[in-house]
Amino acid sequence: EAGVVQSPRYKIIEKKQPVAFWCNPISGHNTLYWYLQNLGQGPELLIRYENEEAVDDSQLPKDRFSAERLKGVDSTLKIQPAELGDSAVYLCASSPTNFPGELFFGEGSRLTVL
Amino acid sequence: QQQVKQSPQSLIVQKGGISIINCAYENTAFDYFPWYQQFPGKGPALLIAIRPDVSEKKEGRFTISFNKSAKQFSLHIMDSQPGDSATYFCAGQETSGSRLTFGEGTQLTVNP
Repeated sequence: EAGVVQSPRYKIIEKKQPVAFWCNPISGHNTLYWYLQNLGQGPELLIRYENEEAVDDSQLPKDRFSAERLKGVDSTLKIQPAELGDSAVYLCASSPTNFPGELFFGEGSRLTVL
Repeated sequence: QQQVKQSPQSLIVQKGGISIINCAYENTAFDYFPWYQQFPGKGPALLIAIRPDVSEKKEGRFTISFNKSAKQFSLHIMDSQPGDSATYFCAGQETSGSRLTFGEGTQLTVNP
């Protein structure tokens, strides 16, 4: 069974440019998460979806970050405009709704803002 | 708000030795405590987890010890191997809220 798929794996952009990350969760997983991981730090939750509904987006900087999960499957995380401090790894994870404790992570999208 | 504090930040162990990583939490609503292992360039992967109704859980060479009164838990890796070299994250979760809060991570190096 395929794991969580993320793209692109790496992205380098100039500051003030937009960027988007895509995530395809494990089939059948209703819960999808976007986490931010700075170098040498633990992942921090940005947003959590239950199917199509964003149920926890309190940590998402809504002035520049947006996310969507159309049809309750794939998800896109967008940053517009990007700032230097946004350089980090953006991790997508999914989990079965009936056992939220185990998250299955993708390999992440590493963003570098110049 | 830092709710899970992890130590040490880095750890070097000889092959065959015991690796010990400690975590302390503040949120008494946490009722699930997983450990995740992350290799460079990969996402974290669940290693082992414990609920607060037990004091210890063992899976192969990996053991979690849990002290509810002290709000502390630790990961012990017995007979550490070079392949165990990775970053380890403890975490806490409120099942009702489903938000997983991670510690800062411990970079483990096992020398051959």
